Formats: sequence, C-alpha cells, structure tokens
Amino acid sequence: SQQGEEDPQALSIQEGENATMNCSYKTSINNLQWYRQNSGRGLVHLILIRSNEREKHSGRLRVTLDTSKKSSSLLITASRAADTASYFCATDDNYGQNFVFGPGTRLSVLP
Amino acid sequence: NAGVTQTPKFQVLKTGQSMTLQCAQDMNHEYMSWYRQDPGMGLRLIHYSVGAGITDQGEVPNGYNVSRSTTEDFPLRLLSAAPSQTSVYFCASSPRTSGGTKETQYFGPGTRLLVL
Repeated sequence: SQQGEEDPQALSIQEGENATMNCSYKTSINNLQWYRQNSGRGLVHLILIRSNEREKHSGRLRVTLDTSKKSSSLLITASRAADTASYFCATDDNYGQNFVFGPGTRLSVLP
Repeated sequence: NAGVTQTPKFQVLKTGQSMTLQCAQDMNHEYMSWYRQDPGMGLRLIHYSVGAGITDQGEVPNGYNVSRSTTEDFPLRLLSAAPSQTSVYFCASSPRTSGGTKETQYFGPGTRLLVL
C-alpha cells in the first residue's frame, strides 16, 4: 500500500528557528494532508494540499508538494515551544476513501 | 459541539476478555474510522464506515468488529483481547465532500488499552 514516510524521524531546534520536515510517498495521490499530535492527544488537521497545487500557506505553516518526486515538505517558521509535537503526513488511497499515515516526525522546540 | 468523543480513556484487560471502545461524533459526518497507533508505526486503519449501516475492513482488522447503526456512533469491539492489541486507539470522523471523497479528519482523544 502507498505510504507517506516522514523525514527526519526526530528534529530538535531552538525557539525562533525554522523547522522543515519532509514526506515521501509511493504512488499517485489526490491530496496530501499534514497533522499534528501533541503528546497524549489526538491528531489535529493542519493543512491539505491537492495534487494540482504546489504550495499552500496557513499562518506560520508552508506546505509544498512535488508530485514528480512524490514528496511534500512542511515548513514551520519562527518556531515556538508550543510547536513541540509529532507531525504526520497522510496520503489518500486511489479511491479517496481512506488515508495512510507515515510514522511521523517528532519535533522538539527548545526555549 | 463536543466533536469526536471516545470512552474509556484508559483500559486494562486480561488476555481473552472482550470489550467495546465507544466513539461518538456530533458533527453529522458520514465517514468514521478506527485507527491504532503503535510506537514508530504511525496510525494503521482497523475498520471504517462510509455511512450508517456500511462498514469495511482496513489494514489491520483481525480481532476487531465494528457496527454503524447510527450516523453518530461507531463502536469498536475487541472479541478476545490479546497482548498484541495493546495500543492507543483513535476514532476519527470526516464529512463527505462533493466529490464523494474523504478529506479532513477530526480525531478523538484516544483510548489507551493495555492487555495483560
């Protein structure tokens, strides 16, 4: 089955720095989503990018999608301690019915 | 709106016991799903439903049953618990898009299950 694989597995940065995490997938998609999970909580939807889009912004978040390389990146600018969480990408299946999640990137933002 | 609620928050079972994890949503979403999350493996889909009365298997359905008698509720049943089912279970719901696909998912807070 197709799957998003995030890279790196873990990332530690200082507050104020930018954080970039990447997601690669195997087969064609309709859309790709990024979610955040704080420790011990459920996942929260951050942003969705469709296969015909190349870039989307939401506040301090910037997501890019390169369908030729089957990859996406999530950039968090001016990071804050509150951004400490795990970040997951999710790619849809060919029928648009379900999503497959990668193992996630654990981001630590140090004050 | 409460969103997606799950009960219980934490449960300890002995091998062979059965139990039901409850999930409810008050957003009138057609799609609902159950995932399990294990360390280093992301979320894996157990079962899903595209509407009341319709359910289907996901990636890891063995040992679990579901039913969807109403739009709001989507319980997950463990038939005979095994230590391999120790995990965190998440329920999610999403609205049906005009194209019939599923997009943004809304997750519950999760149920932590320990099977001894």
